[in-house]
Amino acid sequence: GENVEQHPSTLSVQEGDSAVIKCTYSDSASNYFPWYKQELGKGPQLIIDIRSNVGEKKDQRIAVTLNKTAKHFSLHITETQPEDSAVYFCAATMDSNYQLIWGAGTKLIIKP
Amino acid sequence: DGGITQSPKYLFRKEGQNVTLSCEQNLNHDAMYWYRQDPGQGLRLIYYSQIVNDFQKGDIAEGYSVSREKKESFPLTVTSAQKNPTAFYLCASSTQGSGQPQHFGDGTRLSIL
Repeated sequence: GENVEQHPSTLSVQEGDSAVIKCTYSDSASNYFPWYKQELGKGPQLIIDIRSNVGEKKDQRIAVTLNKTAKHFSLHITETQPEDSAVYFCAATMDSNYQLIWGAGTKLIIKP
Repeated sequence: DGGITQSPKYLFRKEGQNVTLSCEQNLNHDAMYWYRQDPGQGLRLIYYSQIVNDFQKGDIAEGYSVSREKKESFPLTVTSAQKNPTAFYLCASSTQGSGQPQHFGDGTRLSIL
């Protein structure tokens, strides 16, 4: 079955700098890759997603890139702000499967 | 506002007791999901339902049960057979089909007395 690995588990960056979180997946049939942000005591919130027919997608300070050959996708956050501090999760799924397979999460800390 | 409502926010279970977690959505979504989240870990799927009166087991269904009698509601029962129920439980919904964004409630934290 599909397996998703996420790195790093904790990332600390200076406010204003960029943050990059990377996920790798095992099943080449995976074709949908969402990213979620979870704040303390809350449910995850979708922040951006990408499908396998697209290599990159941007939404203001957030971007996701997908490398199908290498089977990895990354979340890029530029000009980080204190409110970006949270736990970020990647996930993957295939057309034939209703289940999202989740990474273990990255705790992002923005230092003032 | 459309969304997913989970209740209660905190729940305590005694030994040998069944407890039921509520999940209601007004997004008109066909699919609903229950996940378990343990500290510092990702989400694990307990049960999911793609349509009313139908549901499937996820990866960790043992000790849990669900029902889907209405499109808007997908309650989860944590039975006494679940020996380690302390966790954060999250409900989600999506439009039907694979590769659809899932929308989450704010969770129920279950603890053992």
